Amino acid sequence: AQTVTQSQPEMSVQEAETVTLSCTYDTSESDYYLFWYKQPPSRQMILVIRQEAYKQQNATENRFSVNFQKAAKSFSLKISDSQLGDAAMYFCAYRSAHSNYQLIWGAGTKLIIKP
Amino acid sequence: EAQVTQNPRYLITVTGKKLTVTCSQNMNHEYMSWYRQDPGLGLRQIYYSMNVEVTDKGDVPEGYKVSRKEKRNFPLILESPSPNQTSLYFCASQLAGGRETQYFGPGTRLLVL
Repeated sequence: AQTVTQSQPEMSVQEAETVTLSCTYDTSESDYYLFWYKQPPSRQMILVIRQEAYKQQNATENRFSVNFQKAAKSFSLKISDSQLGDAAMYFCAYRSAHSNYQLIWGAGTKLIIKP
Repeated sequence: EAQVTQNPRYLITVTGKKLTVTCSQNMNHEYMSWYRQDPGLGLRQIYYSMNVEVTDKGDVPEGYKVSRKEKRNFPLILESPSPNQTSLYFCASQLAGGRETQYFGPGTRLLVL
Protein backbone atom coordinates (compact mmCIF):
# COMPACT_ATOMS: atom_id res chain seq x y z
CA ALA A 1 0.00 0.00 0.00
CA GLN A 2 1.12 3.51 -0.71
CA THR A 3 2.04 5.84 2.14
CA VAL A 4 2.86 9.52 2.38
CA THR A 5 5.03 10.98 5.14
CA GLN A 6 5.42 14.60 6.17
CA SER A 7 8.06 14.67 8.86
CA GLN A 8 7.65 18.32 9.85
CA PRO A 9 4.54 18.86 12.00
CA GLU A 10 5.24 22.59 12.10
CA MET A 11 7.48 25.06 10.30
CA SER A 12 7.94 28.79 10.70
CA VAL A 13 9.44 31.36 8.37
CA GLN A 14 9.95 35.08 8.35
CA GLU A 15 7.76 37.04 5.98
CA ALA A 16 9.43 37.48 2.55
CA GLU A 17 11.81 34.57 3.18
CA THR A 18 11.82 31.15 1.52
CA VAL A 19 10.67 27.94 3.17
CA THR A 20 10.72 24.30 2.06
CA LEU A 21 8.23 21.70 3.25
CA SER A 22 9.24 18.05 3.00
CA CYS A 23 7.27 15.06 1.78
CA THR A 24 8.30 11.50 1.09
CA TYR A 25 6.17 8.69 -0.23
CA ASP A 26 6.34 4.99 -0.75
CA THR A 27 4.99 3.22 -3.82
CA SER A 28 5.88 0.40 -6.16
CA GLU A 29 4.16 2.08 -9.08
CA SER A 30 5.87 4.12 -11.76
CA ASP A 31 2.91 6.17 -12.95
CA TYR A 32 1.29 8.47 -10.42
CA TYR A 33 0.52 12.05 -9.45
CA LEU A 34 1.65 14.11 -6.50
CA PHE A 35 -0.09 17.13 -5.03
CA TRP A 36 0.32 19.85 -2.46
CA TYR A 37 -2.86 21.18 -0.91
CA LYS A 38 -3.22 24.21 1.33
CA GLN A 39 -5.77 24.30 4.15
CA PRO A 40 -6.20 27.78 5.65
CA PRO A 41 -8.18 28.38 8.86
CA SER A 42 -11.38 28.31 6.78
CA ARG A 43 -10.71 24.54 6.39
CA GLN A 44 -11.17 24.71 2.61
CA MET A 45 -8.83 22.40 0.67
CA ILE A 46 -7.03 24.39 -2.01
CA LEU A 47 -4.82 22.79 -4.64
CA VAL A 48 -1.45 24.51 -4.70
CA ILE A 49 0.51 22.49 -7.22
CA ARG A 50 0.60 19.08 -8.89
CA GLN A 51 3.30 16.95 -10.45
CA GLU A 52 2.99 14.08 -12.89
CA ALA A 53 5.53 11.37 -12.16
CA TYR A 54 6.40 10.86 -15.83
CA LYS A 55 7.50 14.49 -16.13
CA GLN A 56 11.10 15.17 -15.17
CA GLN A 57 10.58 18.91 -15.04
CA ASN A 58 9.59 20.25 -11.65
CA ALA A 59 6.21 22.00 -11.52
CA THR A 60 5.99 25.68 -10.63
CA GLU A 61 3.06 27.96 -9.86
CA ASN A 62 4.11 31.56 -9.25
CA ARG A 63 5.88 31.59 -5.84
CA PHE A 64 5.36 27.84 -5.35
CA SER A 65 7.65 25.22 -6.81
CA VAL A 66 8.44 21.60 -6.12
CA ASN A 67 11.59 19.52 -6.03
CA PHE A 68 10.52 16.12 -7.34
CA GLN A 69 13.09 13.37 -6.86
CA LYS A 70 11.47 10.22 -8.25
CA ALA A 71 14.26 7.79 -7.37
CA ALA A 72 14.36 9.07 -3.80
CA LYS A 73 10.54 9.26 -3.64
CA SER A 74 10.73 12.81 -2.39
CA PHE A 75 8.42 15.70 -3.23
CA SER A 76 9.19 18.93 -1.40
CA LEU A 77 7.38 22.25 -1.73
CA LYS A 78 9.28 25.51 -1.84
CA ILE A 79 7.47 28.75 -1.09
CA SER A 80 9.38 31.86 -2.11
CA ASP A 81 8.77 35.37 -0.80
CA SER A 82 6.50 34.05 1.96
CA GLN A 83 3.40 36.11 2.66
CA LEU A 84 1.12 36.28 5.68
CA GLY A 85 -1.62 34.69 3.57
CA ASP A 86 0.53 31.58 3.14
CA ALA A 87 -0.03 30.64 6.78
CA ALA A 88 -1.96 27.35 6.71
CA MET A 89 -1.73 23.59 6.97
CA TYR A 90 -0.05 22.07 3.94
CA PHE A 91 -0.77 18.53 2.89
CA CYS A 92 1.13 16.35 0.50
CA ALA A 93 -0.97 13.77 -1.38
CA TYR A 94 -0.35 10.88 -3.76
CA ARG A 95 -2.63 9.39 -6.37
CA SER A 96 -2.01 6.35 -8.51
CA ALA A 97 -2.63 6.75 -12.23
CA HIS A 98 -4.33 3.36 -12.32
CA SER A 99 -6.58 3.21 -9.28
CA ASN A 100 -9.89 4.64 -8.18
CA TYR A 101 -8.58 8.21 -7.99
CA GLN A 102 -8.12 7.88 -4.24
CA LEU A 103 -5.81 10.48 -2.74
CA ILE A 104 -3.38 9.18 -0.10
CA TRP A 105 -2.52 11.97 2.31
CA GLY A 106 0.32 12.92 4.60
CA ALA A 107 -0.39 14.15 8.12
CA GLY A 108 0.24 17.78 7.21
CA THR A 109 2.67 20.56 8.10
CA LYS A 110 1.51 23.70 9.86
CA LEU A 111 3.23 26.72 8.33
CA ILE A 112 3.58 29.82 10.48
CA ILE A 113 4.58 33.13 8.91
CA LYS A 114 6.31 35.60 11.21
CA PRO A 115 5.71 39.26 10.33
CA GLU B 1 -19.95 28.82 -10.45
CA ALA B 2 -18.46 25.33 -10.50
CA GLN B 3 -18.48 23.97 -6.98
CA VAL B 4 -18.98 21.16 -4.52
CA THR B 5 -21.42 21.96 -1.75
CA GLN B 6 -21.93 20.22 1.57
CA ASN B 7 -24.67 20.56 4.14
CA PRO B 8 -24.70 21.08 6.99
CA ARG B 9 -21.38 22.81 7.58
CA TYR B 10 -21.53 22.21 11.32
CA LEU B 11 -23.47 19.58 13.22
CA ILE B 12 -23.68 18.57 16.86
CA THR B 13 -25.58 15.38 17.55
CA VAL B 14 -25.90 12.62 20.12
CA THR B 15 -24.83 9.00 19.97
CA GLY B 16 -27.23 6.83 17.98
CA LYS B 17 -29.22 9.57 16.24
CA LYS B 18 -29.15 8.94 12.50
CA LEU B 19 -27.86 11.75 10.34
CA THR B 20 -27.12 12.51 6.71
CA VAL B 21 -24.52 14.88 5.30
CA THR B 22 -25.36 15.92 1.78
CA CYS B 23 -22.87 16.53 -1.02
CA SER B 24 -23.71 17.99 -4.40
CA GLN B 25 -21.59 19.00 -7.39
CA ASN B 26 -22.60 20.96 -10.49
CA MET B 27 -19.71 19.95 -12.75
CA ASN B 28 -21.15 16.71 -14.13
CA HIS B 29 -18.34 14.76 -12.50
CA GLU B 30 -18.47 10.98 -12.62
CA TYR B 31 -16.31 10.40 -9.56
CA MET B 32 -17.24 11.43 -6.03
CA SER B 33 -15.64 10.57 -2.72
CA TRP B 34 -15.92 11.12 1.02
CA TYR B 35 -12.91 11.70 3.29
CA ARG B 36 -12.59 12.31 6.97
CA GLN B 37 -9.84 14.44 8.48
CA ASP B 38 -8.49 13.84 11.95
CA PRO B 39 -5.56 15.61 13.65
CA GLY B 40 -2.21 14.00 12.89
CA LEU B 41 -3.73 11.59 10.38
CA GLY B 42 -4.39 13.70 7.31
CA LEU B 43 -7.43 12.70 5.26
CA ARG B 44 -8.67 9.15 4.91
CA GLN B 45 -11.14 7.91 2.32
CA ILE B 46 -14.46 6.57 3.60
CA TYR B 47 -16.37 5.68 0.42
CA TYR B 48 -16.19 6.56 -3.22
CA SER B 49 -18.36 6.33 -6.31
CA MET B 50 -17.14 5.94 -9.87
CA ASN B 51 -20.57 6.77 -11.30
CA VAL B 52 -24.32 6.51 -10.64
CA GLU B 53 -25.20 3.35 -8.71
CA VAL B 54 -21.49 2.40 -8.43
CA THR B 55 -20.04 2.78 -4.95
CA ASP B 56 -17.22 1.11 -3.05
CA LYS B 57 -15.47 1.19 0.30
CA GLY B 58 -12.44 3.26 1.01
CA ASP B 59 -10.02 2.77 3.88
CA VAL B 60 -12.35 3.59 6.81
CA PRO B 61 -15.94 2.63 5.83
CA GLU B 62 -17.12 1.20 9.18
CA GLY B 63 -20.17 3.03 10.52
CA TYR B 64 -20.96 4.85 7.26
CA LYS B 65 -23.24 4.32 4.28
CA VAL B 66 -23.51 6.10 0.96
CA SER B 67 -25.73 6.09 -2.08
CA ARG B 68 -25.40 7.48 -5.60
CA LYS B 69 -28.84 7.66 -7.18
CA GLU B 70 -28.08 10.79 -9.16
CA LYS B 71 -24.85 11.92 -10.73
CA ARG B 72 -24.70 15.21 -8.85
CA ASN B 73 -25.44 13.93 -5.31
CA PHE B 74 -23.49 11.66 -2.99
CA PRO B 75 -24.89 11.72 0.57
CA LEU B 76 -23.02 10.28 3.54
CA ILE B 77 -25.20 8.48 6.06
CA LEU B 78 -24.34 7.74 9.68
CA GLU B 79 -27.06 5.36 10.84
CA SER B 80 -25.93 5.22 14.47
CA PRO B 81 -23.22 7.83 15.08
CA SER B 82 -20.66 7.26 17.80
CA PRO B 83 -18.18 9.69 19.41
CA ASN B 84 -15.30 8.23 17.36
CA GLN B 85 -17.00 9.61 14.26
CA THR B 86 -16.43 13.15 15.50
CA SER B 87 -14.36 14.57 12.69
CA LEU B 88 -14.13 16.98 9.76
CA TYR B 89 -15.67 15.50 6.63
CA PHE B 90 -14.89 16.41 3.04
CA CYS B 91 -16.69 15.52 -0.13
CA ALA B 92 -14.72 15.61 -3.37
CA SER B 93 -15.46 15.11 -7.05
CA GLN B 94 -13.65 14.92 -10.36
CA LEU B 95 -14.10 13.96 -13.96
CA ALA B 96 -13.17 10.40 -14.86
CA GLY B 97 -9.52 10.17 -15.84
CA GLY B 98 -6.30 9.94 -13.88
CA ARG B 99 -5.06 13.37 -14.92
CA GLU B 100 -8.12 15.21 -13.68
CA THR B 101 -8.07 17.48 -10.64
CA GLN B 102 -10.16 16.61 -7.62
CA TYR B 103 -12.36 19.41 -6.25
CA PHE B 104 -13.30 19.61 -2.59
CA GLY B 105 -16.36 20.83 -0.74
CA PRO B 106 -16.00 23.26 2.18
CA GLY B 107 -16.10 20.53 4.82
CA THR B 108 -18.60 19.49 7.50
CA ARG B 109 -17.54 19.57 11.12
CA LEU B 110 -19.36 16.88 13.09
CA LEU B 111 -19.40 16.49 16.86
CA VAL B 112 -21.01 13.36 18.29
CA LEU B 113 -21.70 13.56 22.02
